[in-house]
Amino acid sequence: DIEMTQSPSSLSASVGDRVTITCRASQSISTYLNWYQQKPGKAPKFLIYGASSLQSGVPSRFSGSGSGTDFTLTISSLQPEDFATYYCQQSYSTPYTFGQGTMLEIK
Amino acid sequence: QVQLQESGPGLVKPSETLSLTCTVSGVSISSYYWSWIRQPPGKGLEWIGYIYYSGSTNYNPSLKSRVTTSVDTSKNQFSLKLRSVTAADTAVYYCARGLVTTVTKRNYYYMDVWGKGTTVTVSS
Repeated sequence: DIEMTQSPSSLSASVGDRVTITCRASQSISTYLNWYQQKPGKAPKFLIYGASSLQSGVPSRFSGSGSGTDFTLTISSLQPEDFATYYCQQSYSTPYTFGQGTMLEIK
Repeated sequence: QVQLQESGPGLVKPSETLSLTCTVSGVSISSYYWSWIRQPPGKGLEWIGYIYYSGSTNYNPSLKSRVTTSVDTSKNQFSLKLRSVTAADTAVYYCARGLVTTVTKRNYYYMDVWGKGTTVTVSS
């Protein structure tokens, strides 16, 4: 199985901050990388596929980059509704696997 | 819009079979991949597997010996059965639609619409 590791595991930030979350794959996955956002008690919400392609309706302050083994999710200017847990997920090969999550908290 | 809703017992006894159904509305189930994902309390997400509308399946090897999925096109539903459950199977179970988008000859799979999730507890 491909192991996905996110860093940091948790992060405190303020509204308006620029935030970057990192995801590393245990082997090269090209750009087969998705990002999801999950709020407490809710289902995950799909944000980005192909490492950098934004899902329709997702605000442009979200962006993704990377290829191979190293990927980033950046939120350019944090809004109150962005405080949540973020997961990366590889779709290079089955079983599809997720990172352990990065909890983004209000400072 | 596309909506998914999980249903099934919230409590299952150890060694018995967990059975869940996902009802799809807003789109025909006769297309796309249909996935199951679970999340143990306070933990991360685990992909259980998917079934294509044609009936072909792909399961996580860690669960493959205990998992069965099926599609009922007449009801626009798909289902999950997990046999011989233990306390380790206690989780929120989500169903989701899987899409494949082709970009520069690469087929990207992602889960774009999720159900709200249903909590299943394994306990006697």
